[in-house]
Amino acid sequence: KQEVTQIPAALSVPEGENLVLNCSFTDSAIYNLQWFRQDPGKGLTSLLLIQSSQREQTSGRLNASLDKSSGRSTLYIAASQPGDSATYLCAVRLGSNDYKLSFGAGTTVTVRA
Amino acid sequence: NAGVTQTPKFQVLKTGQSMTLQCAQDMNHEYMSWYRQDPGMGLRLIHYSVGAGITDQGEVPNGYNVSRSTTEDFPLRLLSAAPSQTSVYFCASSRWGTGYEQYFGPGTRLTVT
Repeated sequence: KQEVTQIPAALSVPEGENLVLNCSFTDSAIYNLQWFRQDPGKGLTSLLLIQSSQREQTSGRLNASLDKSSGRSTLYIAASQPGDSATYLCAVRLGSNDYKLSFGAGTTVTVRA
Repeated sequence: NAGVTQTPKFQVLKTGQSMTLQCAQDMNHEYMSWYRQDPGMGLRLIHYSVGAGITDQGEVPNGYNVSRSTTEDFPLRLLSAAPSQTSVYFCASSRWGTGYEQYFGPGTRLTVT
């Protein structure tokens, strides 16, 4: 069974600092990994999707890396802003015919102005 | 595009009542799914569908029914509500061409008393 872990559960940083969010998974034979953002009381917004053949994906201030062999992904957010405060979740899909996403519990980020 | 829409946003039920949570998407996505989100448990897959007329169980299907008569709609039925079904329910959709990048609805917050 795929287990997805996100540590730490919560993080508080001053504005302008770079954020580093970690995601680890137990089964390295993944199909893809997706990072989401969730604001309080809201749904999940997709940030980045990394296919198993890729090492990283970038979108604006966001960069996500994937190391399948070690079962890890890292989400970097450059020059954090108070608007980046949210919960960040990672989710792993095992195969193209495996429709289940296995989610981590998330890291709640607070960016202090 | 409206994306993935869910109704209602909030619902309070008494134990034993039944109801249907509605989900619709206008992106012509083949794949749709229902998750529930509980504190400390993360998101867990309830049911999913890979196309009209095809549904299957996820990891926590007991107490829920689904059907998929059209590509656009994927309702979730609670047969006889129990307090253990108090949760936030999210509908998601994706299609093959995007590598199954998942798009989530805004959620339905359900309380069973």
